[in-house]
Amino acid sequence: DTAVSQTPKYLVTQMGNDKSIKCEQNLGHDTMYWYKQDSKKFLKIMFSYNNKELIINETVPNRFSPKSPDKAHLNLHINSLELGDSAVYFCASSQQGGFDQPQHFGDGTRLSIL
Amino acid sequence: AQSVTQPDIHITVSEGASLELRCNYSYGATPYLFWYVQSPGQGLQLLLKYFSGDTLVQGIKGFEAEFKRSQSSFNLRKPSVHWSDAAEYFCAVGRYSGGGADGLTFGKGTHLIIQP
Repeated sequence: DTAVSQTPKYLVTQMGNDKSIKCEQNLGHDTMYWYKQDSKKFLKIMFSYNNKELIINETVPNRFSPKSPDKAHLNLHINSLELGDSAVYFCASSQQGGFDQPQHFGDGTRLSIL
Repeated sequence: AQSVTQPDIHITVSEGASLELRCNYSYGATPYLFWYVQSPGQGLQLLLKYFSGDTLVQGIKGFEAEFKRSQSSFNLRKPSVHWSDAAEYFCAVGRYSGGGADGLTFGKGTHLIIQP
């Protein structure tokens, strides 16, 4: 009964390709996030969506675009993949309106660019 | 802008010994503070959180953390570690931009190694 699920778990592709990572949560949360964890395990917020509205967008290249078809899904599309995009990408979700409820994380998608 | 510093990249502790992982934060208001644990190949699991009130908070798996405003610290402790505690530990602060909860700012993590 996975709360936050990401697919695929592993993604190996070549430079220049376009790929997507899917995220679904069954917790009824209003806010979803994408984080990037680099090779040194540093985690950084990329995006968050609250009721289909983008709240924050860090200094992320516009090759990355989050798409939320509904409240339970926040997919990450990446165009023209570069070597530096190799990382583990984590999806998370939380209740709207604060940090009283914690963020729940998926198990991550390991993206490797050849 | 807020930031989180975990000064120890690696810590090695003998099984059964006590543990303290350090975390310092920089934030202009009362912080929302969290500790997460990441086992190899897994996502992040919340250990505990602090919002207000009692500065000593209890979490899962026998962990606790103490918020010290004067030192801008939120150190994680456990009286006796188990081999299964070997993992990466992240301290984080929650932040707002006015549009609602924004996300977490993480420290760079502390890798905990347990010696038999």
